Amino acid sequence: GAVVSQHPSRVICKSGTSVKIECRSLDFQATTMFWYRQFPKQSLMLMATSNEGSKATYEQGVEKDKFLINHASLTLSTLTVTSAHPEDSSFYICSARDYAGPFGGYTFGSGTRLTVV
Amino acid sequence: DAKTTQPTSMDCAEGRAANLPCNHSTISGNEYVYWYRQIHSQGPQYIIHGLKNNETNEMASLIITEDRKSSTLILPHATLRDTAVYYCIVRGGQGAQKLVFGQGTRLTINP
Repeated sequence: GAVVSQHPSRVICKSGTSVKIECRSLDFQATTMFWYRQFPKQSLMLMATSNEGSKATYEQGVEKDKFLINHASLTLSTLTVTSAHPEDSSFYICSARDYAGPFGGYTFGSGTRLTVV
Repeated sequence: DAKTTQPTSMDCAEGRAANLPCNHSTISGNEYVYWYRQIHSQGPQYIIHGLKNNETNEMASLIITEDRKSSTLILPHATLRDTAVYYCIVRGGQGAQKLVFGQGTRLTINP
């Protein structure tokens, strides 16, 4: 079945630096990917929809200049957290949609735990 | 997308059937019902989805009421590994893209 690989699984960075998270579809082409954020004991919150070759669509309240999304190929989307601060510490999860997949195609990565110190 | 309502938590004994309810009273005719689960500190895992008819796969069964305003996910023989947060999501039909997660049900399987 469809597999989505997310890297890194864990990252610790200093406040003020930027961190890049990669999301890859391994065995299918994903024209659409999604980025979520999840705080402890809370549900997943959709941050943005990433479309290959075009600008991402951000959800209300998500700062597009802080969370830069690039979807330059059909198998890779990246999320860059710029000038990270401790309040950006969270679990970030990507999802890719395989339109040809057997279940509507939404497959999730294993997540990236970001800690900003 | 229609909003869903799920109980915050449920318990079930190992080996018994776990029945997780979901209300989606504002669902429209072309919206699908999806179920995902999330085991601690992992990405969500697809379980099953349906539109109108009941569905069954190797993991679970999905029972959708005739008026489509509610559904029940059934894990026929729950094991300890089924302990997770279960999310019921309603997604629009053709052209609709995103999955929006509610609060889900924290299911605990007890030995």
